[in-house]
Amino acid sequence: EPEVTQTPSHQVTQMGQEVILRCVPISNHLYFYWYRQILGQKVEFLVSFYNNEISEKSEIFDDQFSVERPDGSNFTLKIRSTKLEDSAMYFCASSGQGGSNQPQHFGDGTRLSIL
Amino acid sequence: RKEVEQDPGPFNVPEGATVAFNCTYSNSASQSFFWYRQDCRKEPKLLMSVYSSGNEDGRFTAQLNRASQYISLLIRDSKLSDSATYLCVVNSPYNNNDMRFGAGTRLTVKP
Repeated sequence: EPEVTQTPSHQVTQMGQEVILRCVPISNHLYFYWYRQILGQKVEFLVSFYNNEISEKSEIFDDQFSVERPDGSNFTLKIRSTKLEDSAMYFCASSGQGGSNQPQHFGDGTRLSIL
Repeated sequence: RKEVEQDPGPFNVPEGATVAFNCTYSNSASQSFFWYRQDCRKEPKLLMSVYSSGNEDGRFTAQLNRASQYISLLIRDSKLSDSATYLCVVNSPYNNNDMRFGAGTRLTVKP
């Protein structure tokens, strides 16, 4: 069964540094998402991406964050000038055609630890 | 009111028990509904979509009440492997492709 893959599985970074989290969505999917989950808290929507542009972003997704689809397979989340409170699990997800009726499939996440 | 609200749990039940989870959503414009399960420190995994007429998948039954903006998940004959956090997921009223998660309800099935 095709799956969403994320790298790295764990990223440790000094506060103030930039990080790039990488995702390879399922190959025929058109919609891409990033979520985060702070330890012990709920999954929070960050951003959705379709047709090479952001379709929606949450209040969390401020100027510190950016997303990119640099080629036909990767979908990245960049966090500039990381803060301690950025420590969380970051999940990438993708879904196929058919809009909201299509469930999202999640990667197994990148655990980001800011020191 | 939260966009998606779930029973806080935790639910601790013996093997073989039937357990039901409830979820309410705030915006009547939402169109798509799902139940996901999440194991500790793992990614959410789709359990089932929720259809207007209700639907069943083995031991799992999902119901939707649009008038009350309420979704339920029933698990029959609980197994130890059902222990997880169950997430109610509803599409965003602002963009149909974006999903909002409930905080989850933790289930522990004990021998």
